[in-house]
Amino acid sequence: DAGVIQSPRHEVTEMGQEVTLRCKPISGHDYLFWYRQTMMRGLELLIYFNNNVPIDDSGMPEDRFSAKMPNASFSTLKIQPSEPRDSAVYFCASTEMGKGHKNTEAFFGQGTRLTVV
Amino acid sequence: AQSVTQLGSHVSVSEGALVLLRCNYSSSVPPYLFWYVQYPNQGLQLLLKYTTGATLVKGINGFEAEFKKSETSFHLTKPSAHMSDAAEYFCAVSDGRGGYNKLIFGAGTRLAVHP
Repeated sequence: DAGVIQSPRHEVTEMGQEVTLRCKPISGHDYLFWYRQTMMRGLELLIYFNNNVPIDDSGMPEDRFSAKMPNASFSTLKIQPSEPRDSAVYFCASTEMGKGHKNTEAFFGQGTRLTVV
Repeated sequence: AQSVTQLGSHVSVSEGALVLLRCNYSSSVPPYLFWYVQYPNQGLQLLLKYTTGATLVKGINGFEAEFKKSETSFHLTKPSAHMSDAAEYFCAVSDGRGGYNKLIFGAGTRLAVHP
């Protein structure tokens, strides 16, 4: 498997523009996560899906952020309108429920470095 | 609620020296514990994990960690540092009881290895 694939790797956009980040999870994984990494706040979980359904979006910073998972192999994270303080590295990760319905490790994509100017 | 504290945001060691990265957790339920490594401009990669059973777990690249319930610790060690070990290391905890529970990450420790 190619692992978790994110695109684009780098995105530079102007304040006020819409930004869409994309993620393809590992085939067969039933959980997908979006994380944000900044120097100030470290790794923050924004939202996660189970079987394409959003389960917990309490980490989404505000209404400008939205995420969708239309099918098992694709998810998007959208910021509209974008602001300079959204500049960060955004990671997508996926995992599957293991035996006994317990957590297994999450596999991370290489991230999208977003810069909003 | 669960939380993770990593002592020392930066650690510097000489090549060949012992690596010790500290992680303490807080959890009211049996935890699952993980160490991830992040190389520059890369995603996070699992080094090792503790779920149940043996408290000393071995991971990739010669790293190991020991779960000490009495000390609520899960420190990461490697007997002899290599230049290629320079990276950022994250400790994480999740609820090990069953059903999915999200990973809670520590703030990370950046390891520098000098000749």
